[in-house]
Amino acid sequence: DAGVTQSPTHLIKTRGQQVTLRCSPKSGHDTVSWYQQALGQGPQFIFQYYEEEERQRGNFPDRFSGHQFPNYSSELNVNALLLGDSALYLCASSSSIQETQYFGPGTRLLVL
Amino acid sequence: AQSVAQPEDQVNVAEGNPLTVKCTYSVSGNPYLFWYVQYPNRGLQFLLKYITGDNLVKGSYGFEAEFNKSQTSFHLKKPSALVSDSALYFCAVRDTIRRDDKIIFGKGTRLHILP
Repeated sequence: DAGVTQSPTHLIKTRGQQVTLRCSPKSGHDTVSWYQQALGQGPQFIFQYYEEEERQRGNFPDRFSGHQFPNYSSELNVNALLLGDSALYLCASSSSIQETQYFGPGTRLLVL
Repeated sequence: AQSVAQPEDQVNVAEGNPLTVKCTYSVSGNPYLFWYVQYPNRGLQFLLKYITGDNLVKGSYGFEAEFNKSQTSFHLKKPSALVSDSALYFCAVRDTIRRDDKIIFGKGTRLHILP
């Protein structure tokens, strides 16, 4: 049983560009959450998707958007990249009937 | 709003000694509490959780945590530390009062087990 997978593992972009990160949830999970982890910090909640809709959102600007597909996989899009967007982006999946979120290995984004 | 505090940036323990990593929390309602571990250049691995019931919860790799409602704490413990336990540990909380699924993480505590 595959766990949460994310792609790509690493990415380098320049300021102003746009990026799309992808996540496939653990089998049997229907909810996907995205987090940003800056260097030396704990993960910060970006948003959560359930039933193909954004259910909750943290304190992130509209440049951060997402999508969930019918197979429960999800994308995180970031427009107009800033240097401060450089971070490890973590995807976590969970089931709507249990509390634990399981994390993928993350995508490390570097904005130059 | 919910919050989590991990007062120690780093904890050093000799191999074979007991270890404790501290965590306190603040929520409006009853908390769901979690501990995760992160190894270098990796995602977070789930260790254990408290939802309800027995205040002492046991998790993976011999770790356990004690929920203390009066002190709003959820300290992570292990009776005998291994060098392989060296990693970054995160405490996290979810507030149940609004069925809010958002999980708030502490800033992390780096655990060094000295051989």
